[in-house]
Amino acid sequence: AQSVTQLDSQVPVFEEAPVELRCNYSSSVSVYLFWYVQYPNQGLQLLLKYLSGSTLVKGINGFEAEFNKSQTSFHLRKPSVHISDTAEYFCAVSLQGAQKLVFGQGTRLTINP
Amino acid sequence: NAGVMQNPRHLVRRRGQEARLRCSPMKGHSHVYWYRQLPEEGLKFMVYLQKENIIDESGMPKERFSAEFPKEGPSILRIQQVVRGDSAAYFCASSPTRQPGSTDTQYFGPGTRLTVL
Repeated sequence: AQSVTQLDSQVPVFEEAPVELRCNYSSSVSVYLFWYVQYPNQGLQLLLKYLSGSTLVKGINGFEAEFNKSQTSFHLRKPSVHISDTAEYFCAVSLQGAQKLVFGQGTRLTINP
Repeated sequence: NAGVMQNPRHLVRRRGQEARLRCSPMKGHSHVYWYRQLPEEGLKFMVYLQKENIIDESGMPKERFSAEFPKEGPSILRIQQVVRGDSAAYFCASSPTRQPGSTDTQYFGPGTRLTVL
C-alpha cells in the first residue's frame, strides 16, 4: 500500500521569503505525484503533478517541485511567497494506471508580513 | 465551463438521521470520486464511480454508507443513521474519460461540511 508523509504540519514564513514544503512517499511500485492547495473553506486546486519525464515540475502561482526517486521525495518550493499563498497544501500519490489518490496530512503555510 | 458542483455546502443532521450529499461533475466528465476529510486530517479516499458503476469502493465504511452515479443526474453519497463521528468535510472530484494506462487530473468541488449533532 502507498503512504504519504508530510513532515511539517505547520510552516510559518515571512512574506517574500523562500519556502519548502516536504513530502515523502512510500510505495513498492511506480507512482504519480501531485501537490494540491486548499484555501480556507474551499475545495482542492491542483498546483502541479509529476507523471514522467523531467524531475523538476513547474506549477501554477510560481510553485515548483522536484521528484527524487532515490529519496522517495517530492518537495514543493517557491522562491518568494506572498500573503495570498496562505493555505493548506497537500501532497498526494496514485498508482500508475489507478485513479485513487492517497493524501498526506497536509501542511498549513502561514505567511507573515 | 462550470466546475464540480456540490450541494449542500453545509448540512446539519441529528444522530440517527440520513444525510444525502450531491455532486455534479464537470461537463464532459464521466468519473466521480468521493473523499472524506476529518478535522485536522488529510483527505481519505472513499469511492470511485463511473456512470451506473462502482469501480472502487475500498475506502467506504462497510455499513451505513452508499454511493451511486446514475445515468442521469448527480452522484449521491448517502449516509444512513448518522453518528457524531461522521462529522467531516466530504469532497467530490471528477475527471474526464480515462485513457487506458493514464491518470487523469481530478478536479475537486468545494465540499459539503456535515455536522452531526
